[in-house]
Amino acid sequence: QSALTQPPSASGSPGQSVTISCTGTSSDVGGYNSVSWYQQHPGKAPKLMIYEVSKRPSGVPDRFSGSKSGNTASLTVSGLQAEDEADYYCSSYAGNKGVFGGGTKLTVL
Amino acid sequence: QVQLQQWGAGLLKPSETLSLTCAVYGGSFSGYYWSWIRQHPGKGLEWIGYIYYSGSTYYNPSLKSRVTISVDTSKNQFSLKLSSVTAADTAVYYCARDEDGYNTFFLWGQGTLVTVSS
Repeated sequence: QSALTQPPSASGSPGQSVTISCTGTSSDVGGYNSVSWYQQHPGKAPKLMIYEVSKRPSGVPDRFSGSKSGNTASLTVSGLQAEDEADYYCSSYAGNKGVFGGGTKLTVL
Repeated sequence: QVQLQQWGAGLLKPSETLSLTCAVYGGSFSGYYWSWIRQHPGKGLEWIGYIYYSGSTYYNPSLKSRVTISVDTSKNQFSLKLSSVTAADTAVYYCARDEDGYNTFFLWGQGTLVTVSS
């Protein structure tokens, strides 16, 4: 059982927006602004999409955005494209250790 | 362009020790937290631990008794050893670079599937 809770699946049509939630506790998500999101395509290593709650690494489209309220972080993908179909994992610092969510499979309909 | 290249034995028997190494090419080794993460088949990610370039280590409490992460700065390499493996340790193991020790992984290795089977 993962430390952070994500919905197992999410979906949307091309062009639409979808939001994925990541719920933790005050010891991880709620206690630090060190939430990150990773995209993983089948057979590939994860790729950082969002870090420090809402920052985007160079090269990540601005269609991807992150936010946090209390113990829940969110990843929003706007203007869905076919290549966004992948697994998404949230992660948080939890005081000298790291924790991940169980992952959300995003399907582009 | 900085790259992480990892290698190690892919098939182990129960009770053996898993050993993986990750090399850093094309970039600095100093100032980063060098991490190991694993992914059980069809499952989510699990943080194993990290080592700061100077040698300080932090491990997942659930694995701490069996994990050792070490660093060889002369070779820009770091390694993972996991002792007394069981089938539950079957997973893809990734090395990664944590920028600040706060679980932010900008750079990942290609992953190594380790299977534990008798």
